[in-house]
Amino acid sequence: QVQLVQSGAEVKKPGSSVKVSCRASGGTFSSHAISWVRQAPGLGLEWMGEIIPMFGTSSDAQNFQDRVRITADESTSTVYMDLSSLKSGDTAVYFCAAIRLASHPNGYFDIWGRGTLVTVSS
Amino acid sequence: SYVMTQAPSVSVAPGQTARITCGGNNIGDKSVHWYQQKAGQAPVLVIYYDTDRPAGIPERFSGSNSGDTATLTISRVEAGDEADYYCQVFDGNTDHYVFGTGTKVTVL
Repeated sequence: QVQLVQSGAEVKKPGSSVKVSCRASGGTFSSHAISWVRQAPGLGLEWMGEIIPMFGTSSDAQNFQDRVRITADESTSTVYMDLSSLKSGDTAVYFCAAIRLASHPNGYFDIWGRGTLVTVSS
Repeated sequence: SYVMTQAPSVSVAPGQTARITCGGNNIGDKSVHWYQQKAGQAPVLVIYYDTDRPAGIPERFSGSNSGDTATLTISRVEAGDEADYYCQVFDGNTDHYVFGTGTKVTVL
């Protein structure tokens, strides 16, 4: 069973960028689409975008379209989420989550990373 | 964009039944998935495709979906069921994944 291993917590200044990674352990991403979902303190889950590493295609949520970039490095089975022009409101836990391609796009996220806390503070 | 509304909180005594609803326009036409999230942890899938249960999820968890409401039912509630619960669908109009607003289940 593939597990998703995320990079460690980050503290960033407003206006800067952050890059969070999500590596497949015990397998590859070849049969999955990988999404990023964030959760601000005390709030709900918010989908940010996804990438299908096998096809190299990605899509982003309208709320983030100009600021988020999701990429994949198949050689290391790692997906990256780049968020730019950070604001205090971007302080959140960022999760990567996988959907099997066989059930994409109406499928479910059956594998989740543990989350990466990104704190934006001056 | 597609919006799904959940009650902010539900309180239930141990051994009783908790019903968590997810309201959305013609949600019965979509595939609904449910996640349990305990404090400080990542979400865990508890119901997929409206009614299916992943391996390892107790039979006490069940789901239904019709009309404008999807429902997650937890029978014989236990203290360990205390968590936030989120519904999720794929919105084909925007090609976005959408989560409900979340319901906090408190076991009295």
